[in-house]
Amino acid sequence: QVQLQQSGAELAKPGSSVKISCKASGYTFTSYYISWIKQTTGQGLEYIGYINTGSGGTNYNEKFKGKATLTVDKSSSTAFMQLSSLTPDDSAVYYCARGIRRVFDYWGQGVMVTVSS
Amino acid sequence: DIVLTQSPTTLSVTPGETVSLSCRASHSIGTNLHWYQQKTNESPRLLIKYASQSISGIPSRFSASGSGTDFTLNINNVEFDDVSSYFCQQTQSWPALTFGSGTKLEIK
Repeated sequence: QVQLQQSGAELAKPGSSVKISCKASGYTFTSYYISWIKQTTGQGLEYIGYINTGSGGTNYNEKFKGKATLTVDKSSSTAFMQLSSLTPDDSAVYYCARGIRRVFDYWGQGVMVTVSS
Repeated sequence: DIVLTQSPTTLSVTPGETVSLSCRASHSIGTNLHWYQQKTNESPRLLIKYASQSISGIPSRFSASGSGTDFTLNINNVEFDDVSSYFCQQTQSWPALTFGSGTKLEIK
């Protein structure tokens, strides 16, 4: 069965970076893009961008350019998202999701990132 | 960005009722509108794609319609298991994909 297994919760200090992972199983990894979505109570669901898991090409929502960096390791069927220069506004749950034309049919369980000094 | 406005914010219903949730887009998006269900402390689940297309494994009680700027998700014969937040998402404009702010469904 299709699964997207994300890494564990992160507690980070302002100004630092975190890198979270999303390991796919149960399907051909390079046949689907992986997208990342941010969820907060205040802002709801926000689309960050996607990575072409075959080529490594990326496309970002303008709001997250410079904040998020998406990469992929095909050998381990894992996608990564690095968040840099963290501020308290980056505290959120971050999901990876498998997409077909950005319609998300499978989601990871989410990673809670807390930014606090 | 295309803004999706969902209404009502919260809906409280009795089991067995039929409910309609609304999602309105700030610009015409054709049928590039999708619905997700999110239960507390769970990830979203795709319910309906492209305004009205059903998803394998989703109960037939869930249906949807609409095009352009006005969309509706219908839930027939509401059950306790349907307690969730429901979000719409548009894929007309990307990478600036947007989601609605959600409707929270409560059961009396």
